[in-house]
Amino acid sequence: GENVEQHPSTLSVQEGDSAVIKCTYSDSASNYFPWYKQELGKRPQLIIDIRSNVGEKKDQRIAVTLNKTAKHFSLHITETQPEDSAVYFCAASNSGYALNFGKGTSLLVTP
Amino acid sequence: DADVTQTPRNRITKTGKRIMLECSQTKGHDRMYWYRQDPGLGLRLIYYSFDVKDINKGEISDGYSVSRQAQAKFSLSLESAIPNQTALYFCATSDLRAQGADNEQFFGPGTRLTVL
Repeated sequence: GENVEQHPSTLSVQEGDSAVIKCTYSDSASNYFPWYKQELGKRPQLIIDIRSNVGEKKDQRIAVTLNKTAKHFSLHITETQPEDSAVYFCAASNSGYALNFGKGTSLLVTP
Repeated sequence: DADVTQTPRNRITKTGKRIMLECSQTKGHDRMYWYRQDPGLGLRLIYYSFDVKDINKGEISDGYSVSRQAQAKFSLSLESAIPNQTALYFCATSDLRAQGADNEQFFGPGTRLTVL
């Protein structure tokens, strides 16, 4: 089955800096790669996703890149703000199947 | 707004007790999932159901069972709870029919379960 590895497990940045979280996956058939944000005490919510026919996708300050050859994808957050502090999860799946999540990255943005 | 709800939100029980966690959704989605979240271990899939007659085991199904009573309802049972089942449990839904978004999952608020 699919195995998703996520690094780092914790990340601390200063407000205004960029943050990068990386994930690798094992199943070459995976073609959908979402990122979820979970604020403290809240439910995970989708913030951005990418499909295998695209190499990069941006939405304001967040972007995701995908390298299918190397089987890794990354989340980039620019101009970080304190409200970006949360746990971020990457996931991978083959369309039509259940998501396999990474273990999460706890991001702290300090003012 | 269409939503995913879970009951109870918090539950404390004793070892050996039978517990049922319930999930309901008004999104009209066909697919439903149960995950558990433990610190440092992320979200691990327990069971999932792609329609009322379809039940599939996930990564960590031992000690759990599920029932899909209707398209909108998916229950998780712990037949004989043990302390290492103490965790935060999330239900989620997704819609196969959504154009280009067939895998996006919408999570419920979670149930915090403590087994003493």
